[in-house]
Amino acid sequence: ETGVTQTPRHLVMGMTNKKSLKCEQHLGHNAMYWYKQSAKKPLELMFVYSLEERVENNSVPSRFSPECPNSSHLFLHLHTLQPEDSALYLCASSQGQRGDSPLHFGNGTRLTVT
Amino acid sequence: AQSVTQPDIHITVSEGASLELRCNYSYGATPYLFWYVQSPGQGLQLLLKYFSGDTLVQGIKGFEAEFKRSQSSFNLRKPSVHWSDAAEYFCAVGAPDSWGKLQFGAGTQVVVTP
Repeated sequence: ETGVTQTPRHLVMGMTNKKSLKCEQHLGHNAMYWYKQSAKKPLELMFVYSLEERVENNSVPSRFSPECPNSSHLFLHLHTLQPEDSALYLCASSQGQRGDSPLHFGNGTRLTVT
Repeated sequence: AQSVTQPDIHITVSEGASLELRCNYSYGATPYLFWYVQSPGQGLQLLLKYFSGDTLVQGIKGFEAEFKRSQSSFNLRKPSVHWSDAAEYFCAVGAPDSWGKLQFGAGTQVVVTP
């Protein structure tokens, strides 16, 4: 089993839909992250959770709502998205809060908003 | 704030030839530096990292990188490229207590020709 698992791999949703992305890590890490990867743009950090507490919210629109029920699971709830939100959403985890703890990424969810 | 630049958007290299990918960073102190690789449809995989000590670091898949403080660079190299090295490569910089808030470069797409 891979260290960080994301589901679904692909998601197509309309602008009025509500959906959720799921991430699960099997590495025993205590921090989890959501990153957005858009075409031709660097990865953008969206949210950071440490020990299930949100420690970073990088000016992300409220139509994205994260949830971290425990240290192994992370969700990203989506509602009333815009076409420009179409992107690859990557979940990552790390051990500890220091910058020298490498991120371990999942394979991402490819989101298309129609 | 830290930043990172990857000057080459796209590189084409013949199989068996050497490869060097450039990365320049901006940070006030000694940064934490990373190289990640992303194959199509996959998440990011850590190739190697530099925190301190020996400025030449070895990574997985035969890659190495050299930290040059005077040039604010952390270039990635591989002596002999294999077709499976075709992917997108990302340089990233982090800071102590940065909660995994890595600043990623825009990436370099590597194409390997027979």
